[in-house]
Amino acid sequence: EAGVAQSPRYKIIEKRQSVAFWCNPISGHATLYWYQQILGQGPKLLIQFQNNGVVDDSQLPKDRFSAERLKGVDSTLKIQPAKLEDSAVYLCASSLTGGPYEQYFGPGTRLTVT
Amino acid sequence: DAKTTQPNSMESNEEEPVHLPCNHSTISGTDYIHWYRQLPSQGPEYVIHGLTSNVNNRMASLAIAEDRKSSTLILHRATLRDAAVYYCILSPDGGNQFYFGTGTSLTVIP
Repeated sequence: EAGVAQSPRYKIIEKRQSVAFWCNPISGHATLYWYQQILGQGPKLLIQFQNNGVVDDSQLPKDRFSAERLKGVDSTLKIQPAKLEDSAVYLCASSLTGGPYEQYFGPGTRLTVT
Repeated sequence: DAKTTQPNSMESNEEEPVHLPCNHSTISGTDYIHWYRQLPSQGPEYVIHGLTSNVNNRMASLAIAEDRKSSTLILHRATLRDAAVYYCILSPDGGNQFYFGTGTSLTVIP
């Protein structure tokens, strides 16, 4: 079974630039999550989708971050404009719906903002 | 957010059992207890989860206190591949919204 795919794996941008991350969840997983993990900290949930609807985005900085999940499968997370403090690993995870189901994590995208 | 408290770091000798503690004194009756671990440069991976009763799987055992205010993840024989950060997480109302803490960094000594 293929795991959660993310791209790119690494990205370096300058502050005030824009960046987008892509995630392809495990087939059949209706729930998709985006996490931000700053060095030395645990992952922080940014947004949770069920199919293409948002379940929880309470910790998403909506002035600069946006996410979408068209057709309830792939998802993109965008940052515009980026700040230095956005440097982190962005993790995508997916799970079955209904809970409490195992979350399967992708390898993450390491973002460096200079 | 339901909070958990874990020691920042622990050490274990290879092939010995490891007991990783977690305090969750504000747990509610419907919160599940999950354990995930994160190896260096990888995303977290599932270890085990439970509600009230102790749980066993091929990776580990989960011992839950009778009052559910604490739990312990037990690795029966630590190997070098078990060196990772271990996270204890509560999911509110049996759902799947996870709020990670800083976890316990486990070092396994050969």
